[in-house]
Amino acid sequence: DIQMTQSPSTLSASVGDRVSITCRASQSINFYLAWYQQKPGKAPKLLIYMASRLESGVPSRFSGSGSGTEFTLTIASLQPDDFATYYCQQYNSYSRTFGQGTKVEIK
Amino acid sequence: EVQLVESGGGLTQPGGSLRLSCAASGFTFGDYAMNWVRQAPGKGLEWISYIGSAGTLIYYADSVKGRFTISRDNANNSLFLQMNSLRDDDTAVYFCVRVISRRAGDDYWGQGTLVTVSS
Repeated sequence: DIQMTQSPSTLSASVGDRVSITCRASQSINFYLAWYQQKPGKAPKLLIYMASRLESGVPSRFSGSGSGTEFTLTIASLQPDDFATYYCQQYNSYSRTFGQGTKVEIK
Repeated sequence: EVQLVESGGGLTQPGGSLRLSCAASGFTFGDYAMNWVRQAPGKGLEWISYIGSAGTLIYYADSVKGRFTISRDNANNSLFLQMNSLRDDDTAVYFCVRVISRRAGDDYWGQGTLVTVSS
C-alpha cells in the first residue's frame, strides 16, 4: 500500500501569512494527488486535484505543486476562512490513501 | 446540483451489523465510480471501499475486507455499504464520495452518517 506522510501536523500562522504543507508518498504516484480542506463537523472539500489543478470555485490563493513523491500545498495569503485541517490524498491506485492531516491554527 | 445523502448510521453492539445507504442526485449516477471513506472521532480520513460505475470493479481496505460489502443500484441512484461483524474501532462518520474521473480523482462528498459501535 502507498503511504502518505504529511507535515507539519500543526501549523500556527497569522492572517496574511504565506503557508506551505508538504506531502510525501512512499512510491511514485505521478500527479494523482489531491488536497482537501475540512472544517469541524463538515465533509472535506476538494481544493486541488492532479497535484496542481485548482477546483472550480476555490480561491486562487491556494496552489499545489509537485509530482512523483513530493507535493506541496501553498496558501499565498492566509485568510480567516482558511483556518481548518488540510489533507492530502493519493489516488494513483483504487485504494486511496490520505495524509495524517495538518491543522492550521491562528497564531 | 450534485447531492449525496448518507443514511443508516446509528448505535450497534460489537458483532452487530448495519447497512448504510447513499442517495445520489443531480448527476447521472451510473456514469460514476464511488467510494466510502470514514473518519473516527477526532481522527483523520480512511478510505475503505471503491466500486466502479457498473458495480463489477470493487476494492476494500484491509481493515474491512471480509466484513464489509459495497454495492450499488444504478436504477435507483443508490450506493450501499453492508457492515457485518462490527468492532469498536469501526466507530466513525462514514462518507460516500463521487469519483469524477481516473485523472481528476474524487470530488463531491456527502455530509456523512455516524456509526457507533459500543456495548
